Amino acid sequence: GESVGLHLPTLSVQEGDNSIINCAYSNSASDYFIWYKQESGKGPQFIIDIRSNMDKRQGQRVTVLLNKTVKHLSLQIAATQPGDSAVYFCAENRRGISSGSARQLTFGSGTQLTVLP
Amino acid sequence: ETGVTQSPTHLIKTRGQQVTLRCSSQSGHNTVSWYQQALGQGPQFIFQYYREEENGRGNFPPRFSGLQFPNYSSELNVNALELDDSALYLCASSLVGLDEQYFGPGTRLTVT
Repeated sequence: GESVGLHLPTLSVQEGDNSIINCAYSNSASDYFIWYKQESGKGPQFIIDIRSNMDKRQGQRVTVLLNKTVKHLSLQIAATQPGDSAVYFCAENRRGISSGSARQLTFGSGTQLTVLP
Repeated sequence: ETGVTQSPTHLIKTRGQQVTLRCSSQSGHNTVSWYQQALGQGPQFIFQYYREEENGRGNFPPRFSGLQFPNYSSELNVNALELDDSALYLCASSLVGLDEQYFGPGTRLTVT
């Protein structure tokens, strides 16, 4: 089964409100996570990453929180804007079982964020 | 934009046919990974190429194969197409040893 998963397939927020997108993972050895944004017709776009030696990381309007105790991470978007409407994925970046030195991304199923006017 | 380009943008194939998808990596990147994204799902890792050799593979059958060229561009080949192969195929380039992968816009493959 998948090692990362998102809690809600859809999320609607009012423009200007804060958004919180959640993600759970199952492998306690996971040490590196990335949040991606995917707009319609485009490939995933890097938003922010976090390693297991941190529990919080901030970017421009975004914050990622990592709770290793319950194997949960979240993406917080401050003052959500219409341009934030997209599908958001959390992904584990790890070396595969049979992948030698390759690091591969394992994605959850995504949350569709819709920003309401 | 990431600088990763893919061609073609869309194509339609018939079950049993073969298809080749192409990817040009971002300038300076020497590693290319391919992902399959079914409708409504997250991308799934197919394989990665580094120094023109397969450097890791996900849970995909041998009819999915690839190539990497000296200029680091790459091809994904799929033989004996099945209806379930209909998906968005994404390539991502990176520098070996660095963790961030930059995705192209994808190729939408429809198998009828």
